[in-house]
Amino acid sequence: GAVVSQHPSRVICKSGTSVKIECRSLDFQATTMFWYRQFPKQSLMLMATSNEGSKATYEQGVEKDKFLINHASLTLSTLTVTSAHPEDSSFYICSARGRRGGVTGELFFGEGSRLTVL
Amino acid sequence: EDKVVQSPLSLVVHEGDTVTLNCSYEVTNFRSLLWYKQEKKAPTFLFMLTSSGIEKKSGRLSSILDKKELFSILNITATQTGDSAVYLCAVPDKLIFGTGTRLQVFP
Repeated sequence: GAVVSQHPSRVICKSGTSVKIECRSLDFQATTMFWYRQFPKQSLMLMATSNEGSKATYEQGVEKDKFLINHASLTLSTLTVTSAHPEDSSFYICSARGRRGGVTGELFFGEGSRLTVL
Repeated sequence: EDKVVQSPLSLVVHEGDTVTLNCSYEVTNFRSLLWYKQEKKAPTFLFMLTSSGIEKKSGRLSSILDKKELFSILNITATQTGDSAVYLCAVPDKLIFGTGTRLQVFP
């Protein structure tokens, strides 16, 4: 099946620094990528939808200036957590949809990135 | 606003038991409903349901959709410890996830 690679899998940073997380579709072109956040023992919460070559669409309550999303190519989207604070510590997961994409089975998840802000 | 609700939130059973997980949804433009299993990292895909009344089966797991009542169930028969995970249902297009059901299977 299609593979989505997410990097880094784990990152620890100091408060106030910025962290970039990459999401790559390895064997297909991802026209749309989604970014989720998951707190311990909670479900995945959609943060934003990223379409290649255009601005990301953020869900209500998600600060776009804090969570910068770039989808510059059909195989790469990045999420940058700017001026990270301890409350930003969470598990971030991306998913990617290919060109054939209507729905689903066409949607593949990255392995997730665990961010810890000290 | 699209909404997905799962129940129960948590389930603890012994190996060999059968469990039923519930997922109800309110979606303006329904296309399909998806079930995922999440262990330690990212969710893994289980089923996609688009039509009412047609059961999807994979080994001991099965799922069915009721589009009239707006819900789906996921059944796991003869549970094993390896079934312990969080089970998530979601609706496209953006994949709005439900709250999840945490299943723990003890030997």
